[in-house]
Amino acid sequence: ELQLLESGGGLVQPGGSLRLSCAASGVPFTAYAMSWVRQAPGKGLEWVSSISDSGGTTFYADSVKGRFTISRDNSKNTLYLQMNSLTAEDSAIYYCANGGAKARSAFWGQGTLVTVSS
Amino acid sequence: DIVMTQSPDSLAVSLGERATINCKSSQSVLYSSNNRNYLAWYQQKARQPPKLLIYWASSRESGVPDRFSGSGSGTDFTLTIRSLQAEDVAVYYCQQYYSSPFTFGGGTKVEIK
Repeated sequence: ELQLLESGGGLVQPGGSLRLSCAASGVPFTAYAMSWVRQAPGKGLEWVSSISDSGGTTFYADSVKGRFTISRDNSKNTLYLQMNSLTAEDSAIYYCANGGAKARSAFWGQGTLVTVSS
Repeated sequence: DIVMTQSPDSLAVSLGERATINCKSSQSVLYSSNNRNYLAWYQQKARQPPKLLIYWASSRESGVPDRFSGSGSGTDFTLTIRSLQAEDVAVYYCQQYYSSPFTFGGGTKVEIK
């Protein structure tokens, strides 16, 4: 079983940046494509970004394309999400999960809260 | 982009009764090369991350009670809870993992009547 632990959330001003991390343990991290999914307060789930197991292929939602960058360090079993030019609409709980292209998300972290506010 | 539309938005069912949730995709999520539907169902309880219930539209994840079942193919899918239990109160989401963006439905809130 893959265990996932997100970190890096917090309060940031509009226009600011934040980097989220997701530390994986339990099974070979390199076996999985990985994703970020977010949930604004009281709202539904929104897929944000995915990355292939090797890191060679990435996918983004239109709402974050050009502002967010997904990456992974397989030597550190860690997934990242660099978030730039943040707006209030980016405020949400950000979940790390396995899955993405052609792969379901069986393992989820507990989430990290990002609040964009002045 | 594939748009996922769930219905109803909310559902109140008596304990022991059946709950049925529908999910329609704007394009087929059936991959012809392996005849699999790239459609998953998740359960999210209050203040918890989502939990995978069903994948390939009808395969139950390990440990999920058999009262949960998924059906459908192509663009029309259904999640059925055969005999609703109190612990099934949650929001249920469908998601297609066929093509990017890997979109979720808007969610269906299931409550006890």
